[in-house]
Amino acid sequence: GAVVSQHPSRVICKSGTSVKIECRSLDFQATTMFWYRQFPKQSLMLMATSNEGSKATYEQGVEKDKFLINHASLTLSTLTVTSAHPEDSSFYICSARALRNEQFFGPGTRLTVL
Amino acid sequence: AQSVTQLDSQVPVFEEAPVELRCNYSSSVSVYLFWYVQYPNQGLQLLLKYLSGSTLVKGINGFEAEFNKSQTSFHLRKPSVHISDTAEYFCAVSTKTNTGNQFYFGTGTSLTVIP
Repeated sequence: GAVVSQHPSRVICKSGTSVKIECRSLDFQATTMFWYRQFPKQSLMLMATSNEGSKATYEQGVEKDKFLINHASLTLSTLTVTSAHPEDSSFYICSARALRNEQFFGPGTRLTVL
Repeated sequence: AQSVTQLDSQVPVFEEAPVELRCNYSSSVSVYLFWYVQYPNQGLQLLLKYLSGSTLVKGINGFEAEFNKSQTSFHLRKPSVHISDTAEYFCAVSTKTNTGNQFYFGTGTSLTVIP
């Protein structure tokens, strides 16, 4: 099946710094990728839809200036958490949409903001 | 609007016993249905999916699910669970939107297999 990777898998940063998370589709092209956030013991919350070559579509309540998304190519989308705060600590998961409406998920990135 | 309900947040079951994890959805349009499994600190792995055709869907690791349109359900079943099945299970619904297919996830069911 299709493979999606995320880098880094785990990151610890100081409050106020910015962190970039990469999501790559390794063996297929994805015009659409999705970014989710998951709090402990909770479900996935869709943050934004990343479209190749155009601006991302953010869900209600998600700050677009804080969570910057860039989908520069058909295999790469990046999520940058700007001026990170401890409440941004979470598990971030990306997915890439393939044929037949199926999404393939990355392994996730654990962000801890001190 | 679409919604997905997983009625059981936690399901403990003894090893080799059968299990059913329930999932109901609400939607006014045609949907595609998925079950994913998540192990600790990992991403989601697809167990099975219903896109069309036979309503009984077989997936990996011996799991199966049945799409019941009249009851808007897509319950996940396994006849005999193993310790390694202990994980979080998410039901998801996908519908066609103007911006592409969007997934709606249930709140998850934590399956614990007791030796």
